[in-house]
Amino acid sequence: DVKVTQSSRYLVKRTGEKVFLECVQDMDHENMFWYRQDPGLGLRLIYFSYDVKMKEKGDIPEGYSVSREKKERFSLILESASTNQTSMYLCASSRLHGHEQYFGPGTRLTVT
Amino acid sequence: GDSVTQMEGPVTLSEEAFLTINCTYTATGYPSLFWYVQYPGEGLQLLLKATKADDKGSNKGFEATYRKETTSFHLEKGSVQVSDSAVYFCALTGLYSSASKIIFGSGTRLSIRP
Repeated sequence: DVKVTQSSRYLVKRTGEKVFLECVQDMDHENMFWYRQDPGLGLRLIYFSYDVKMKEKGDIPEGYSVSREKKERFSLILESASTNQTSMYLCASSRLHGHEQYFGPGTRLTVT
Repeated sequence: GDSVTQMEGPVTLSEEAFLTINCTYTATGYPSLFWYVQYPGEGLQLLLKATKADDKGSNKGFEATYRKETTSFHLEKGSVQVSDSAVYFCALTGLYSSASKIIFGSGTRLSIRP
């Protein structure tokens, strides 16, 4: 069974704090993705990575950065959290040339 | 650019009713098509997929047929259950896309009354 885990289900942070969201997959997948999900806007891709230390911007990278030091782990970083980054964050992984993505349970982040 | 359009929700049905959720797409090339489902408080799960024209994906009583001529991938189920209440996302990915990025529709919320 493919398993994608995220470090927290719920997180509350203050404006200006640095926030780390961690994602780990156990299927040796090359690709990993970070999305945010907002009502009425669906899923939007923030960043993805196709190899260790490799990353590409998605559709809404502003205000975010990522880190992939190990194949199984992909971190999303909010350098200085703002209230408009309150959202559900979903991590996913897939094989290099596979089209199916496997999702984690999500982290609901609230920035106050 | 590539895009997916699916019917807006919420859709509310009675148990055992017939379900259709419409999905149409715009893409260059030959995309693979997916339906994902998100149950309350959970991440997305792949429900079914089709990789070429006229393929039918099926799972848990749900079906969808890849129609290239109408660029559609409508989701159907003959008899829905309360446990089918969730948000359903139509999605596509193309062979040309780097790292097989998926483009999702906006989602359709389905509620089933007992």
